[in-house]
Amino acid sequence: GESVGLHLPTLSVQEGDNSIINCAYSNSASDYFIWYKQESGKGPQFIIDIRSNMDKRQGQRVTVLLNKTVKHLSLQIAATQPGDSAVYFCAENRNAGNMLTFGGGTRLMVKP
Amino acid sequence: KAGVTQTPRYLIKTRGQQVTLSCSPISGHRSVSWYQQTPGQGLQFLFEYFSETQRNKGNFPGRFSGRQFSNSRSEMNVSTLELGDSALYLCASSSEGRGVNIQYFGAGTRLSVL
Repeated sequence: GESVGLHLPTLSVQEGDNSIINCAYSNSASDYFIWYKQESGKGPQFIIDIRSNMDKRQGQRVTVLLNKTVKHLSLQIAATQPGDSAVYFCAENRNAGNMLTFGGGTRLMVKP
Repeated sequence: KAGVTQTPRYLIKTRGQQVTLSCSPISGHRSVSWYQQTPGQGLQFLFEYFSETQRNKGNFPGRFSGRQFSNSRSEMNVSTLELGDSALYLCASSSEGRGVNIQYFGAGTRLSVL
């Protein structure tokens, strides 16, 4: 069925390195994508979003890339820090309301 | 500005009981959505309310229901609890009713059904 999925369940990186978290989506009609970060005991925290009419969007230390040809979304975190350790979710919005479809999540572990 | 507030943070119930969870959105936000998070199914959309009306609904049985009050606060209710209802229930609010808007999540209510 249609879904938003993640390639890797766990990603381990060295502190200071860059991290790349990937996400595949199957619905070409999706027009809005979001990355959330969830730390233990907390709700998902908004990181960055991108609309389907864009290929790239940058925030503070984070960049989201959207490749509509292969239906792929990625989150790049520059100079990864221990505080970046969390589970990262991609989500898509397929309609005009606020219903989000989430991927399975990737756990990012930052080694000191 | 205060964030999304969910109460209670933890709940323990037994099978067959019913439960009500509460969500206070960010001030000025009129849309409230509910999600269920479990290790097996991940984050799944339950329903969205805007102006006291349910606008979107996910694929959950009728035992799951919700409502929204005139001050945008929302409650969700689960009747005849089952063991599989054990989950983290998350509420999210956003500022506008139409179009796509950033959803801000609360810390959730962890429900354990024994």
